[in-house]
Amino acid sequence: EAQVTQNPRYLITVTGKKLTVTCSQNMNHEYMSWYRQDPGLGLRQIYYSMNVEVTDKGDVPEGYKVSRKEKRNFPLILESPSPNQTSLYFCASSPKASPRTSGRNEQFFGPGTRLTVL
Amino acid sequence: SQQGEEDPQALSIQEGENATMNCSYKTSINNLQWYRQNSGRGLVHLILIRSNEREKHSGRLRVTLDTSKKSSSLLITASRAADTASYFCATAPGSSNTGKLIFGQGTTLQVKP
Repeated sequence: EAQVTQNPRYLITVTGKKLTVTCSQNMNHEYMSWYRQDPGLGLRQIYYSMNVEVTDKGDVPEGYKVSRKEKRNFPLILESPSPNQTSLYFCASSPKASPRTSGRNEQFFGPGTRLTVL
Repeated sequence: SQQGEEDPQALSIQEGENATMNCSYKTSINNLQWYRQNSGRGLVHLILIRSNEREKHSGRLRVTLDTSKKSSSLLITASRAADTASYFCATAPGSSNTGKLIFGQGTTLQVKP
């Protein structure tokens, strides 16, 4: 089944304790992205990656790191979490928009990770 | 920054009625997409309309795009209680093949049985 998986789905942690949220897709998509969703603010992009070893900042990258060593995985790293990073996080992937995909680049989302930083 | 802005922010209707949501954006686009999100879950892609298209249908969904006004609308006909969800528009910046999408803040739709 084509899907994007995230782990963990729920996490409660304390300020300053490093954590990693994993994201994996099995659709051979070039593009992957991380979003956070907060009430009243919609989805805001944290980081995205156009392909292996290519990552770039989104709109709210502060306090986060990512890596893209393999095409299928795109982990989100919080080196020193703070309470303002309490949020619902989504990973998404999509094929690169190109003639091969008829210009389509709809994104496939993971189920989300609810993070609470105390 | 968020490019898409949905209107209204919240909408409550009776089952069987039609629901219309609007989206405005600021810059040129390659395509515009609509997504649905059930409470606390991942977004699901509904429909994509390219910048050179004016209208698209998918089942009970109808999407229009007016690039001169930089706006789009999503119409759900004969709504059902199961349509209760949040709906987001997302724009793919014009001439970009990065796959990047910019999401609006969403419209929360409640369909009362």
